[in-house]
Amino acid sequence: DAGVTQSPTHLIKTRGQHVTLRCSPISGHKSVSWYQQVLGQGPQFIFQYYEKEERGRGNFPDRFSARQFPNYSSELNVNALLLGDSALYLCASSLEGQGIGYTFGSGTRLTVV
Amino acid sequence: DAKTTQPPSMDCAEGRAANLPCNHSTISGNEYVYWYRQIHSQGPQYIIHGLKNNETNEMASLIITEDRKSSTLILPHATLRDTAVYYCIVRLLTGNQFYFGTGTSLTVIP
Repeated sequence: DAGVTQSPTHLIKTRGQHVTLRCSPISGHKSVSWYQQVLGQGPQFIFQYYEKEERGRGNFPDRFSARQFPNYSSELNVNALLLGDSALYLCASSLEGQGIGYTFGSGTRLTVV
Repeated sequence: DAKTTQPPSMDCAEGRAANLPCNHSTISGNEYVYWYRQIHSQGPQYIIHGLKNNETNEMASLIITEDRKSSTLILPHATLRDTAVYYCIVRLLTGNQFYFGTGTSLTVIP
């Protein structure tokens, strides 16, 4: 069975640029969550989407946005990149967006130079 | 913010039981204790969760104290592949996010 897939696996961007990260959930899962993990720290919650609606938002600036498509895949967009946005971006999917059953992807490593 | 406190690092001999403690003194009555682990360069992996009773699955056992203010994750026979960062998290079953904290870095020594 295919797990949560994220693309790209790595990318390098320049300060001020925009980036789009993509996530495909496990088949049948309707909820997608995004987390940011800075080196040496635990993942921090950015967004959760369920049935294409935003269900939760963490303490991140408006430069961060996301959306979920009818096929339940999701995009995370970050505008006006800062050096501090360099991190591992993780996507997790679950059947209903709560309880157990969260499965994480391996993440996208973003480096901002 | 994370509501748990974990030691930053621990070592365990291969084949021995690894006991990872977690303090969650402000846990509320309807919050569950979850454990995840993260092997280097991978996403977090679910291990186990519980409310107030001890739980066991094929990966680990979870022991929650009677007052629910602390818990211990037990890996009964640690292997080198169990080397990872282990996160103890408390959250509502209906919650929409996990607060990971900084976790415990477990090193299994040959």
